[in-house]
Amino acid sequence: GAVVSQHPSWVICKSGTSVKIECRSLDFQATTMFWYRQFPKQSLMLMATSNEGSKATYEQGVEKDKFLINHASLTLSTLTVTSAHPEDSSFYICSAREQGAIDGYTFGSGTRLTVV
Amino acid sequence: DAKTTQPTSMDCAEGRAANLPCNHSTISGNEYVYWYRQIHSQGPQYIIHGLKNNETNEMASLIITEDRKSSTLILPHATLRDTAVYYCIVRVAGSGNTPLVFGKGTRLSVIA
Repeated sequence: GAVVSQHPSWVICKSGTSVKIECRSLDFQATTMFWYRQFPKQSLMLMATSNEGSKATYEQGVEKDKFLINHASLTLSTLTVTSAHPEDSSFYICSAREQGAIDGYTFGSGTRLTVV
Repeated sequence: DAKTTQPTSMDCAEGRAANLPCNHSTISGNEYVYWYRQIHSQGPQYIIHGLKNNETNEMASLIITEDRKSSTLILPHATLRDTAVYYCIVRVAGSGNTPLVFGKGTRLSVIA
């Protein structure tokens, strides 16, 4: 079945630095990928929709200048958390759907970000 | 997408069937019922989906009431590895460029 690879699995960074998270569709092309954020004991919250070759669409309340999304190819989307702060510590998850598939979305394994 | 209501948490003894209910009373005729689960610190995993007929796959069975206002996900022989948060999502099939919207789900604890 479809596989989405997300890296890194976890990262610790210092306040003020930037962190890049990669999301790759390994065996299919994904014109659209989605980025979610999940705080402890809460559900997944959609951050943005990443479209290949165009600007991402951000959900209300998500700062586009802080969470930079690049979807330069049909198999790769990246999320860069710029000038990270402790409140950005969270579990970030990407998702993609194979064109024509009706049996669901495939999710990456998630990235645990800790900002110290 | 129609709203869903699920119990916050449930317990199930290992080896027994786990029956997870979901209410979706405002479901439209072209909306499917999808189930996903999220094991701790992992991404969500697709389980099963259906429109109006009962469905079964290697992971679970999905029972949808005749009026389609509710459904039940059945894990026939729950194991400790089935401990997870289970999400019931209603959406139109084929709407591939729109994201899944997650509610709070049901936290299933399988107990030895």
